[in-house]
Amino acid sequence: DAGVIQSPRHEVTEMGQEVTLRCKPISGHDYLFWYRQTMMRGLELLIYFNNNVPIDDSGMPEDRFSAKMPNASFSTLKIQPSEPRDSAVYFCASSRLGQGVGEQYFGPGTRLTVT
Amino acid sequence: AQSVTQLGSHVSVSEGALVLLRCNYSSSVPPYLFWYVQYPNQGLQLLLKYTSAATLVKGINGFEAEFKKSETSFHLTKPSAHMSDAAEYFCAVSSYSARQLTFGSGTQLTVLP
Repeated sequence: DAGVIQSPRHEVTEMGQEVTLRCKPISGHDYLFWYRQTMMRGLELLIYFNNNVPIDDSGMPEDRFSAKMPNASFSTLKIQPSEPRDSAVYFCASSRLGQGVGEQYFGPGTRLTVT
Repeated sequence: AQSVTQLGSHVSVSEGALVLLRCNYSSSVPPYLFWYVQYPNQGLQLLLKYTSAATLVKGINGFEAEFKKSETSFHLTKPSAHMSDAAEYFCAVSSYSARQLTFGSGTQLTVLP
């Protein structure tokens, strides 16, 4: 299997621009998670989906952030408008119900820099 | 609510020495506990997990961890460090009813030659 795929791997944008991060989970996985990693706050769960439905978005920092999962093989995390404090590494992870609690497979991450 | 505390944000050991990374948890329900490893510029990878079976759990790359309920701990150990073990290690907690993980702040392991 190809693993979790994220694109782009690096994104540099100016403050105020829209940013879209993409994720393709492992085929057959029914849970998808979006995390943000910063030096100050560590690894934070932003939102997760089950069977394409958002289950818990309490970690989404503010209305500028939105996430969608239109089908089982694709998800996006959008920031509009972006701000310098959004600079972080964003990870997508997926898991399968029968696989066991907590066994999440992480993508390589997208390093976002907002100037 | 669940949480984990990792003691020591940076740990340095000599190659061949014992590795001990500390993790304490807090949970109101029986916890599921995990150790993940992150190599530079990569995503996290599962090292091992405890899900209420054996209290001594063996993982990949020679690592193991012991669940101690009385101490609310789940420390990670490896008898002999290798240069390739240099990475950041995260302890995490979940529960049977929850799908999400709560991560600790991480411990950066440096292996000295």
